[in-house]
Parts: sequence; C-alpha cells; structure tokens
Amino acid sequence: DVKVTQSSRYLVKRTGEKVFLECVQDMDHENMFWYRQDPGLGLRLIYFSYDVKMKEKGDIPEGYSVSREKKERFSLILESASTNQTSMYLCASSLLGRDQFFGPGTRLTVL
Amino acid sequence: EDQVTQSPEALRLQEGESSSLNCSYTVSGLRGLFWYRQDPGKGPEFLFTLYSAGEEKEKERLKATLTKKESFLHITAPKPEDSATYLCAVQNAGNNRKLIWGLGTSLAVNP
Repeated sequence: DVKVTQSSRYLVKRTGEKVFLECVQDMDHENMFWYRQDPGLGLRLIYFSYDVKMKEKGDIPEGYSVSREKKERFSLILESASTNQTSMYLCASSLLGRDQFFGPGTRLTVL
Repeated sequence: EDQVTQSPEALRLQEGESSSLNCSYTVSGLRGLFWYRQDPGKGPEFLFTLYSAGEEKEKERLKATLTKKESFLHITAPKPEDSATYLCAVQNAGNNRKLIWGLGTSLAVNP
C-alpha cells in the first residue's frame, strides 16, 4: 500500500513566522502535490512536482514555495505566514499523475 | 472551462436505504474520473478510477459508473460506517497531472 506521511497533524503558528510542512511518500512516485482544503472551496492545488528539483505552480501559489531535493520528500514553505493561510494542508503522490494518494493532512492555524 | 459539479451537497439516509451520488463534468477530453472518500479531519482515500463511458467498478457496497457527461456512485444498503464526504475529480486529457475537483457530497447514514 502507498503510504504518504505528513510531518504534523496540527500546527499553530504566529503571523509572520516561516512555516515548513513536510511530506514523505514511500512508493517511489514521480509526482507529488500540495493542496489546501477550505469549507466551501474544496481542494485547491498550490504546487506540484513531477521530478526531483522540478516544480510547477498550481492554482493558488501566492504566498507559498516548495522544495523537492529528494524523490520521496516534498516540502511546502510559507515564507511569512498570514491568517488567511489557516487551512487544512494535504499532500498527495502519484505514479502516473492520475491516481493520487493522500496523506493524513496538517491542520494549520495562523494566529 | 473544465468543471466538476457534485450533487446533492448533502444526503441523509437510513441504514439499508440505497441511493446514488452524482458527479457531472465538463472537460475537453476525459483522461480519467476519480472517486475518493474523505472522513472528517483526514485526507481523501482513493476509491475508484474510471476511464471511459460504460465502465463500472465496485467495492463492497459502492459501485461507480461513467457516462460521457456524468458519473454515479451507487451505495447499496449503506451502513453508518459509510458516512463520509465523497469527492469526485476529473483529469483533462491535455494535462496529465492536475485534477479538477468537485466540492463533494456529505453522506450521513443513520442507524
């Protein structure tokens, strides 16, 4: 079974802090994704990566950056956290860019 | 514009009362349609991928079907443990990584 893990289930940060969310997958998948999920807005793609050191912007990349130095690890970075970045953050991975397998999510609160 | 619409937004059933959830889509070329189940506070769990009209897939009490305009997730004799939000997503043939997501149907099954 595919296993996708995320570094934290719950995180509380202050406005202006730099925040790192980490995601690790164990199935040698090329593609990895970061989403945020908000009530009424559904899943929105922030960034994705199709290979090590490769990345593409999703639909809402503003205020975020990503890093993929190793195939199994994909990090989401909030350079200066703001209250409107309070959300559920979900990481996913896929082999062929189709069936995406998700991690448990990180509930981030920015105060 | 590619779009996915799920209906109803919410559905309440009695245990054993079969029903269907709808996912209507507009996409220039369908590469795949995906169903996921999401429990509160958790990441989506992959259920099915459908690739072409007429295709059907089953898993326990769930059966997914696909036409050229919509997909149905049929739930036969549901149990309380089937309570969850069911998400639908499609992939455009011209973009082999990004998924377009619906907002989901929240299903509650009463004992």
